[in-house]
Amino acid sequence: GAVVSQHPSWVICKSGTSVKIECRSLDFQATTMFWYRQFPKQSLMLMATSNEGSKATYEQGVEKDKFLINHASLTLSTLTVTSAHPEDSSFYICSAKLWTVETQYFGPGTRLLVL
Amino acid sequence: AQSVSQHNHHVILSEAASLELGCNYSYGGTVNLFWYVQYPGQHLQLLLKYFSGDPLVKGIKGFEAEFIKSKFSFNLRKPSVQWSDTAEYFCAVKPNAGKSTFGDGTTLTVKP
Repeated sequence: GAVVSQHPSWVICKSGTSVKIECRSLDFQATTMFWYRQFPKQSLMLMATSNEGSKATYEQGVEKDKFLINHASLTLSTLTVTSAHPEDSSFYICSAKLWTVETQYFGPGTRLLVL
Repeated sequence: AQSVSQHNHHVILSEAASLELGCNYSYGGTVNLFWYVQYPGQHLQLLLKYFSGDPLVKGIKGFEAEFIKSKFSFNLRKPSVQWSDTAEYFCAVKPNAGKSTFGDGTTLTVKP
């Protein structure tokens, strides 16, 4: 149980285009989902926390207009990188949790390459 | 804000050697503690967690960790590593009313 999927697993796009990444909890209802960014050989950097039905809470330094997060249902959250630039190239990971449980369940990640 | 420090960036061991990965955090209040593992090409998985009670917690695959409150530490141990334990290991700390903070990770390479 507690499986989280991400789609796509990797994406290559041109600079200036927008990319949407989906995060789904397959066998449980996730009241909270988290979006992380992971740079090579570095730790996970929390970008934002999203609760179903409400606006996401962004971490300091993360542009909310550039990284649009929608958590419209208890099983789906999306991250849209708008007007992507090469510096946005990274590994994006989502995780999900139940409101009663502190353990996070991670998705497999999405590797984004912006040319 | 809390911080998490993993002192060993890269550890190389031979099979059957014992493992201890350090994790120290800075936060004065009550915390939940986690160790996650990321095998090559796979996503992060929970190894073990500590919320309360016995400070020595056992996780999957023979791993254990000990919470020493006075030292703000939550070191991960395994008495005898296997080649399949080669992975990236992340320590994470979450205050009761806060969000999780991850350490920079430790790469473990086990030589067969």
